[in-house]
Amino acid sequence: DQQVKQNSPSLSVQEGRISILNCDYTNSMFDYFLWYKKYPAEGPTFLISISSIKDKNEDGRFTVFLNKSAKHLSLHIVPSQPGDSAVYFCAATFQGAQKLVFGQGTRLTINP
Amino acid sequence: DTEVTQTPKHLVMGMTNKKSLKCEQHMGHRAMYWYKQKAKKPPELMFVYSYEKLSINESVPSRFSPECPNSSLLNLHLHALQPEDSALYLCASSQGDRLPFGYTFGSGTRLTVV
Repeated sequence: DQQVKQNSPSLSVQEGRISILNCDYTNSMFDYFLWYKKYPAEGPTFLISISSIKDKNEDGRFTVFLNKSAKHLSLHIVPSQPGDSAVYFCAATFQGAQKLVFGQGTRLTINP
Repeated sequence: DTEVTQTPKHLVMGMTNKKSLKCEQHMGHRAMYWYKQKAKKPPELMFVYSYEKLSINESVPSRFSPECPNSSLLNLHLHALQPEDSALYLCASSQGDRLPFGYTFGSGTRLTVV
């Protein structure tokens, strides 16, 4: 039972353009969502998060949008840079859960 | 200090060996976690320690034995592992009651069982 899904295993974007990574979830109890970036052989690095009381959160080049009715969130990176090439994981949790549930990840490649 | 430090970075062990993974944080976080990540898969939770007490064991085989000696340290003792246990083992910590704020991962230990 995969509660958090990232249906695109990979995404290729030209440098300077917008990268949009998508994530869907099934568990209505989730009320906090996070995006992590991961390079090979390293641990996930926190990027940005959003609480279910909001529908948008922005931090520099990164914006996360949450559509609760559709149980969908997306991460926008603009402009995309070569250093953004990595695997991006969406994760979800709720207060008291004590754990993050991760999606399968999307490998983002930024082409010069 | 905003890091979670894991040692060793790489470990190769035989199926009859006993080894330990170590994790340390000095952020005052009161919850610490072990995750396991296989190639091309997402991290999967193994154990949670909250205020130095084991609060979650995700039905992990007994050949993995966690230990939390104090609020800054988390160990994972390994014994009689199988080749399929080869994976990246990630430690994480968070502020505990205010989960998931500050949820921070270490760089991981790449474990190979031969």
